[in-house]
Amino acid sequence: EAQVTQNPRYLITVTGKKLTVTCSQNMNHEYMSWYRQDPGLGLRQIYYSMNVEVTDKGDVPEGYKVSRKEKRNFPLILESPSPNQTSLYFCASSHILAGPYEQYFGPGTRLTVT
Amino acid sequence: GENVGLHLPTLSVQEGDNSIINCAYSNSASDYFIWYKQESGKGPQFIIDIRSNMDKRQGQRVTVLLNKTVKHLSLQIAATQPGDSAVYFCAENPPKIDDKIIFGKGTRLHILP
Repeated sequence: EAQVTQNPRYLITVTGKKLTVTCSQNMNHEYMSWYRQDPGLGLRQIYYSMNVEVTDKGDVPEGYKVSRKEKRNFPLILESPSPNQTSLYFCASSHILAGPYEQYFGPGTRLTVT
Repeated sequence: GENVGLHLPTLSVQEGDNSIINCAYSNSASDYFIWYKQESGKGPQFIIDIRSNMDKRQGQRVTVLLNKTVKHLSLQIAATQPGDSAVYFCAENPPKIDDKIIFGKGTRLHILP
């Protein structure tokens, strides 16, 4: 089954404790992206990647890092999480020919930073 | 649901009726427009897209209309079903930026039995 998977689905952590949210897709997509979703603010892009070893900042990259060492994986790293990073996070992927338009989204990761 | 805004516009529609969800976009030079559907507890799902050189595009039970004069996009859902209950987002591709889209705030569609 074609899908984007994220782990963990739920995470509660404390300020300053480094964490990684994994994202993996099995569709051989070149384009991958991370979004955060907050009430009243909609979906905002954090980082995206057009292919292996190519990453770019989105609209809200501060406090986040990403890497793209393999085509299928695109982990999101929070080196020192803060309470304002409490949010619902989505990973997405798409074929390069579809651009960022027809993205497949993962199920989301609910992160709470206390 | 956990993934929607506290003050999202809400549209309530009787089951079986047609739904029209509206969206005002920001940039008159945007080239591409997309509609996504997000059911409670799930990630957004692509529905349909339309290029700026078109004013209408039809899919299965859905139609997207684009009015560039007033920067308005709408999604029409025919014969609304309970499974259509979700938050609907429009998105646009800003000019000269091929590799990203900007999402709108979303509209909740509520189906009345």
